[in-house]
Amino acid sequence: SSELTQDPAVSVALGQTVRITCQGNSLRTYYASWYQQKPGQAPVLVIYGENNRPSGIPDRFSGSNSGNTASLTITGAQAEDEADYHCNSRDSSGNRWVFGGGTKLTVL
Amino acid sequence: EVQLVESGGGLIQPGGSLRLSCAASGFTVSSNYMSWVRQAPGKGLEWVSVIYSGGTTYYADSLKGRFTISRDNSKNTLYLQMNSLRAEDTAVYYCARITLSGQKDAFDIWGQGTMVTVSS
Repeated sequence: SSELTQDPAVSVALGQTVRITCQGNSLRTYYASWYQQKPGQAPVLVIYGENNRPSGIPDRFSGSNSGNTASLTITGAQAEDEADYHCNSRDSSGNRWVFGGGTKLTVL
Repeated sequence: EVQLVESGGGLIQPGGSLRLSCAASGFTVSSNYMSWVRQAPGKGLEWVSVIYSGGTTYYADSLKGRFTISRDNSKNTLYLQMNSLRAEDTAVYYCARITLSGQKDAFDIWGQGTMVTVSS
C-alpha cells in the first residue's frame, strides 16, 4: 500500500502535550516528514528524518518512528500551533511520494 | 533569499490546457529534486510529480499521463504542463524543493501556490 493514514482531527488543551500519528507500510522503509499548514498559507516543514527540526522551528515539536507509524509530538502546545498537520514519505516504489490526509489540530 | 514563486494558474474550461511556472531564487533548480503538490479546496495535500536533478521524472498514477513536469535551467524555473483538465484537477498547486539526506528527504521550500479552477 502507498497510503498514509492520519486521524482527521485532534484537540489539546493549551500548554498540554499532543501526539499526531501517521500510519503506512512505506514508513517501515522511509522516514516521515511533517508539515504545518495554517489557513490560506503554504505548508511549512516542521520535522523530518528521525527527529530533525529545520531552523526556526520551536523545540516543542518532535518526531518519532516505530514500525509503520510516525508520530509528531507537540510538548506544551501553544495557541499558534492550531493548524493542519500533514505527514509525508516516499511510497513503496521509492520514486513517488505520498501525503497523509492531514490532521486538524485544535488548541483549546 | 531562497524562495519559489508560482504563476500561471487561473480559470480554464474542462478539456483545456494550462502551464504552471515556478521561478526559483537563492538556489539552482537543476541541482535539486523539484516537485509539484496540489491541494483541492478543503482537502489534504496530494503529491503530483517530481523531476530529479538528473532529469528523470515521475508522476502520481492518478494523473494518467495528462501532466508533464519540466524545467528550464537557463531561467531556473520549474514547469507543470497540464492537459485534458478535469473538474477534479481544481486545486492550489504548489511547487516545492525536496531536500535529500539519505532516507531523510523532505519538502523544505514551498512556493505560495497558484490556484487552478477547471469549470465551464
